[in-house]
Amino acid sequence: KQEVTQIPAALSVPEGENLVLNCSFTDSAIYNLQWFRQDPGKGLTSLLLIQSSQREQTSGRLNASLDKSSGRSTLYIAASQPGDSATYLCAVVYNFNKFYFGSGTKLNVKP
Amino acid sequence: NAGVMQNPRHLVRRRGQEARLRCSPMKGHSHVYWYRQLPEEGLKFMVYLQKENIIDESGMPKERFSAEFPKEGPSILRIQQVVRGDSAAYFCASSPSLGGSGGPDTQYFGPGTRLTVL
Repeated sequence: KQEVTQIPAALSVPEGENLVLNCSFTDSAIYNLQWFRQDPGKGLTSLLLIQSSQREQTSGRLNASLDKSSGRSTLYIAASQPGDSATYLCAVVYNFNKFYFGSGTKLNVKP
Repeated sequence: NAGVMQNPRHLVRRRGQEARLRCSPMKGHSHVYWYRQLPEEGLKFMVYLQKENIIDESGMPKERFSAEFPKEGPSILRIQQVVRGDSAAYFCASSPSLGGSGGPDTQYFGPGTRLTVL
């Protein structure tokens, strides 16, 4: 059974801090891993997608890494801003487009 | 190109009524997925459909829930005789294909329908 766990469940930091969100998965035979952002009452916005053959992906202040052998991914956010406040979801894809989501990390960046 | 459309955005039903949720995939996308998100939880896969076919419904409750994606028109998720435990956000996603190498492609998510059962 594939399980995806995200730690911490919630995080509150002052503006400007660098921070790391963690995602772990039980079955390492993944096809890819994707990080999403979800704002309250809204849908999901894709942030970064890492193919199983890749080690990391970068987009602006965001960097996601993938270690398949240990079943872990991290999302690094540099110089956090209040606008980064949202819930961040990790999703693992094994086959046939079936996404397995973690419960998310709720981030609050204080001005 | 409009994104994935879902309607209604909010739906209120009384116990025992039927709920019908609609999803229009992005133009050119032939794959649709439905997910359910309970409060304070992540999204849980329900069903994966292609036009006129259900490919994987392993996440769908065996009773009261059904989904379709007809040749013409939106995909429909139908919940019969709703109960309070059905209250959740239901998200639809679409993708254009299984990907160039036959593997999964990225999915584009709609804004969700928030179902409240009184």
